[in-house]
Amino acid sequence: DARVTQTPRHKVTEMGQEVTMRCQPILGHNTVFWYRQTMMQGLELLAYFRNRAPLDDSGMPKDRFSAEMPDATLATLKIQPSEPRDSAVYFCASGLVGAQPQHFGDGTRLSIL
Amino acid sequence: AQSVTQLDSQVPVFEEAPVELRCNYSSSVSVYLFWYVQYPNQGLQLLLKYLSGSTLVKGINGFEAEFNKSQTSFHLRKPSVHISDTAEYFCAVSGDTGGFKTIFGAGTRLFVKA
Repeated sequence: DARVTQTPRHKVTEMGQEVTMRCQPILGHNTVFWYRQTMMQGLELLAYFRNRAPLDDSGMPKDRFSAEMPDATLATLKIQPSEPRDSAVYFCASGLVGAQPQHFGDGTRLSIL
Repeated sequence: AQSVTQLDSQVPVFEEAPVELRCNYSSSVSVYLFWYVQYPNQGLQLLLKYLSGSTLVKGINGFEAEFNKSQTSFHLRKPSVHISDTAEYFCAVSGDTGGFKTIFGAGTRLFVKA
């Protein structure tokens, strides 16, 4: 079964540090999504790529967050500098363009101390 | 603009009882509807989807949902739940506009009691 792979699964770091989260989408999928999940806000869309080009990153704090797809097999989400309020579970999902479901990774659980 | 409302944040139910998780959506264009399930420490998994055709959609684990265009609803049902169905359930809508961006509801936590 093809899966979306996210690394690391857990990350604990101190505020001010740079955090990089990685995602390997399912081979052949041309859309990639980054979500953040917290108890208070639920599931929030941060960024959305199609064919490696960013389509929508309106949900992402631009001053500290950045998302890229250096190639079709890798998506990255960076936070610099990190803050305690960034503590959350970050999910990557991939899919095919159109009315198709998304396939989620197991997430990166991020704790900023 | 599209939106999704899950009417119950938590639903407690006894094992082997039926359950319905409610979902209403709003959209000005053709919609595609999904239910996902999230188990602890995991990502979301697709339960079922409605793209077109029959309004009654069957999914995995014995779940089904009915698309009701006049009521703008897509409620999820299971005739007899198991302890293992305890999880968070998300309703989601996608459409032809916005690049098929998917909008998720806030989630409903189903808690199955013995």
